[in-house]
Amino acid sequence: EAGVTQFPSHSVIEKGQTVTLRCDPISGHDNLYWYRRVMGKEIKFLLHFVKESKQDESGMPNNRFLAERTGGTYSTLKVQPAELEDSGVYFCASSATGVKTYEQYFGPGTRLTVT
Amino acid sequence: RKEVEQDPGPFNVPEGATVAFNCTYSNSASQSFFWYRQDCRKEPKLLMSVYSSGNEDGRFTAQLNRASQYISLLIRDSKLSDSATYLCVVNNDFQKLVFGTGTRLLVSP
Repeated sequence: EAGVTQFPSHSVIEKGQTVTLRCDPISGHDNLYWYRRVMGKEIKFLLHFVKESKQDESGMPNNRFLAERTGGTYSTLKVQPAELEDSGVYFCASSATGVKTYEQYFGPGTRLTVT
Repeated sequence: RKEVEQDPGPFNVPEGATVAFNCTYSNSASQSFFWYRQDCRKEPKLLMSVYSSGNEDGRFTAQLNRASQYISLLIRDSKLSDSATYLCVVNNDFQKLVFGTGTRLLVSP
């Protein structure tokens, strides 16, 4: 079974540009999450989808970040316009429903550098 | 104060040693607890869930003390391949995971 995949693995953009990150969850997982790790800090929650609906977006830093999950399959996270402090590693995770819903499996991450 | 606190280490141990990590969490309403392992520049990987009764998976044993709000991980007979960062993770509500900064383990020959 394929794990969570993310694209791209790395992205280097200039301040003010737009970047879109993509996440494909494990097949059949209704729950999809975005997390971020900025340099020297712990991994922090951004938001949680259940199928195509946003269940919790309390971790989104500001309105420059837009997450979508049309059709309840893959998700995108757009940063527009990017700022220097957005640099970090963006992880996507997914989990099943039912008793295993709290066990989240992470993708390899997208390393974003804003210059 | 961070929600999940861990000693960052590094813990340097020889192969075959037993090593223990602790972490504390501040939210008494935390519902689920986990240890994740993260290798350098890789994603976190679920090592084990932690249950109130304690649980064991091979050389790894996890314990939860709700009264004191701490979680422990014991690794017996350390292998070189155990070298990694171990992340203490709790779930408070709506399946949002809260991570500690991690404890780095280095196992040497």
